[in-house]
Amino acid sequence: DAKTTQPTSMDCAEGRAANLPCNHSTISGNEYVYWYRQIHSQGPQYIIHGLKNNETNEMASLIITEDRKSSTLILPHATLRDTAVYYCIVRVEVGGNTPLVFGKGTRLSVIA
Amino acid sequence: DAGVTQSPTHLIKTRGQQVTLRCSPKSGHDTVSWYQQALGQGPQFIFQYYEEEERQRGNFPDRFSGHQFPNYSSELNVNALLLGDSALYLCASFPSTGLMGNTIYFGEGSWLTVV
Repeated sequence: DAKTTQPTSMDCAEGRAANLPCNHSTISGNEYVYWYRQIHSQGPQYIIHGLKNNETNEMASLIITEDRKSSTLILPHATLRDTAVYYCIVRVEVGGNTPLVFGKGTRLSVIA
Repeated sequence: DAGVTQSPTHLIKTRGQQVTLRCSPKSGHDTVSWYQQALGQGPQFIFQYYEEEERQRGNFPDRFSGHQFPNYSSELNVNALLLGDSALYLCASFPSTGLMGNTIYFGEGSWLTVV
């Protein structure tokens, strides 16, 4: 079973920041938080991952709480092309070959 | 740098038939995983191959089998197809050494319809 809890769906106005929350209260010390998204009928796309520090790349920012029990993915300026299902996953990274365990994710709809 | 590639993209099979799906991992990746994604659900882990051997397996019956070749490419075979096997089949890869990180990358998938 997935170790994360996400809202089923969210809406965001185009051009505004999209903030997608994720709860992972049972995360272990060596588990990273990964975010993937899946645009309709395509394979999941890697977005970002982090352990305990906030992370930023060209796609998004990841904010992880100090106790690591929750995190937020931020898309700073959402566009219509960001409409997708977003999955938050916890997984051991370095030295681990554990598969990804997907939940149902959050369906983000960006509205013009 | 080629990403994960899968073939075919779409196919239709009849109940009871067998199907083979193919995957080439991302350059530099030696570990391949397969996932099944039914309509409206998240992907479910089938199995993972490394050094041409199945290393981990999810909760799937023996009708699902695989193979990894010396060039790291992989095949997924499903025998005695059932209507419930209709799904998007995703191949994913990552490097085992950790030198490039262990981030898993996915292909675009193969859509299988069983009629």
